[in-house]
Amino acid sequence: KAGVTQTPRYLIKTRGQQVTLSCSPISGHRSVSWYQQTPGQGLQFLFEYFSETQRNKGNFPGRFSGRQFSNSRSEMNVSTLELGDSALYLCASREQLYNEQFFGPGTRLTVL
Amino acid sequence: KNEVEQSPQNLTAQEGEFITINCSYSVGISALHWLQQHPGGGIVSLFMLSSGKKKHGRLIATINIQEKHSSLHITASHPRDSAVYICAVGFYGQNFVFGPGTRLSVLP
Repeated sequence: KAGVTQTPRYLIKTRGQQVTLSCSPISGHRSVSWYQQTPGQGLQFLFEYFSETQRNKGNFPGRFSGRQFSNSRSEMNVSTLELGDSALYLCASREQLYNEQFFGPGTRLTVL
Repeated sequence: KNEVEQSPQNLTAQEGEFITINCSYSVGISALHWLQQHPGGGIVSLFMLSSGKKKHGRLIATINIQEKHSSLHITASHPRDSAVYICAVGFYGQNFVFGPGTRLSVLP
């Protein structure tokens, strides 16, 4: 099976813009989670989607949103970008809740 | 508050040494992952544990549910093991909380 894929891998945006990141889970996996990794805060949970429903949400402002489609692919959107949003954004998929998560390679976002 | 701690923060070893990285957490969990991240690279899940012990090649992971503690051992360490190792803990009803990571450097 193909692994978790994320597009794009690298992205440069300027403050105030918005960005959409995409994650395609492993075939058959119904859960997709999103994480943000920054040098200062480490890895932090953003949200998890399961069967198109947001199941859990981390402590992030409303500028961060996501959705999941019927084929389990997920998108994450960040509006009104700030310099502090520069980070590695990881998604991970799993077949069911509480199964092992498989991580994608990440999208490195730089906000100038 | 659900917290995850790791020790040591940084570790330098000579090739061939036996390495142990520790993870402790504060409340009951559903599962624990050990993750590996090479410099500039993505994250790979090495193990998922809910009890006992698992082994993949030179890597061994153990978990003690009563003591709320897990260890990652690397036998016969190699320079390619140089990476950041992260403990990620799944708490019941919530998503993962990550430890701060242990930066391992294995010198030839």
